[in-house]
Amino acid sequence: AQSVTQLGSHVSVSEGALVLLRCNYSSSVPPYLFWYVQYPNQGLQLLLKYTSAATLVKGINGFEAEFKKSETSFHLTKPSAHMSDAAEYFCAVKGNSGGSNYKLTFGKGTLLTVNP
Amino acid sequence: NAGVMQNPRHLVRRRGQEARLRCSPMKGHSHVYWYRQLPEEGLKFMVYLQKENIIDESGMPKERFSAEFPKEGPSILRIQQVVRGDSAAYFCASSPGGDTNYGYTFGSGTRLTVV
Repeated sequence: AQSVTQLGSHVSVSEGALVLLRCNYSSSVPPYLFWYVQYPNQGLQLLLKYTSAATLVKGINGFEAEFKKSETSFHLTKPSAHMSDAAEYFCAVKGNSGGSNYKLTFGKGTLLTVNP
Repeated sequence: NAGVMQNPRHLVRRRGQEARLRCSPMKGHSHVYWYRQLPEEGLKFMVYLQKENIIDESGMPKERFSAEFPKEGPSILRIQQVVRGDSAAYFCASSPGGDTNYGYTFGSGTRLTVV
């Protein structure tokens, strides 16, 4: 069974500051990991994904995430926050073998606020 | 090239009424998934369907909830005799195959409010 823990339900940064959103996972099989972004009253948009290729994954809008197996982490970062980054961010995990490999398990989300 | 289309975007129902949520997958996608997002929670898997088949409904409440994906037309998530606790955002996703290594494409969701 997989699970995801997102540390910090709310993160607030100043415009231009580093964004760091934390995600730790638990998986009994090598995981596939995803970050999604949800703008107010919108659906989920895929930011980036880790599928066992390069451990540093680059996504859209300047975001990237690093898979660290030893720390079971997949933290999301962006060097310089922009006002338009204000949204809720979800980390998700999926097993890549066996049954239920279609099922995503989501964290509870981190609401990012960007202050001018 | 339309994405996953869900309607209605917002739905208000009184307690005891029925709610019907529709999802049209992306063109060429024959696998549909429904997820529910309760307030201040992440998305939780409800059901996985292929055309005319329910593959996995392990996340569906045992009573009042049902889902279908007919040969023709959209997938329908049906909630009978709604209660206040059913108020949530319901998201549909689709993929071309069942083992989606690259994540799904999600729709914009239906926000159900039960009054």
